[in-house]
Amino acid sequence: EAQVTQNPRYLITVTGKKLTVTCSQNMNHEYMSWYRQDPGLGLRQIYYSMNVEVTDKGDVPEGYKVSRKEKRNFPLILESPSPNQTSLYFCASSSPGLALDEQFFGPGTRLTVL
Amino acid sequence: DQQVKQNSPSLSVQEGRISILNCDYTNSMFDYFLWYKKYPAEGPTFLISISSIKDKNEDGRFTVFLNKSAKHLSLHIVPSQPGDSAVYFCAASAQGGKLIFGQGTELSVKP
Repeated sequence: EAQVTQNPRYLITVTGKKLTVTCSQNMNHEYMSWYRQDPGLGLRQIYYSMNVEVTDKGDVPEGYKVSRKEKRNFPLILESPSPNQTSLYFCASSSPGLALDEQFFGPGTRLTVL
Repeated sequence: DQQVKQNSPSLSVQEGRISILNCDYTNSMFDYFLWYKKYPAEGPTFLISISSIKDKNEDGRFTVFLNKSAKHLSLHIVPSQPGDSAVYFCAASAQGGKLIFGQGTELSVKP
């Protein structure tokens, strides 16, 4: 089954404790992206990657890091989480062979930073 | 500055009637528009799209209309079904660039 998976689905942590949210896709997509969803703000892009070893900032990259060492994986790293990073996070992927904008989303990771 | 706006946070319609979800944008460079649907505890899923060279695109019960002069697009669902109850996000992009999403509209279709 073609899918984007994220882990964990739920996470409660404390300020300053480094965490990683994993994202993996099995569709051989070149393009991957991370979004956060907050009430009244919709989905905002954090980082994206056009291909392996190619990453770039989205609209709200502060406090986040990413890496793209393999085509299928695109982890999101919070080196020192803060309460304002409490949010619902989505990973997405797509292929330029399709319409780049028709992205496939993962199920989401709900993060709470205390 | 919100380039894509969905000014109605929620909408309630009766089963069988038409649902109309609206979206406004400010960037005249946007040339591709999409609607995504999101159920609770799931990620958004692509629903329908339209290129700026068209003013209408239809897929079954779903039709998207684009009014470029007004920088406005709308999603029509006819007839509405209870299973359509979800949050709908409008999104736009310019020349294959990143997607800019609206805030979302929560649609509730009542039996």
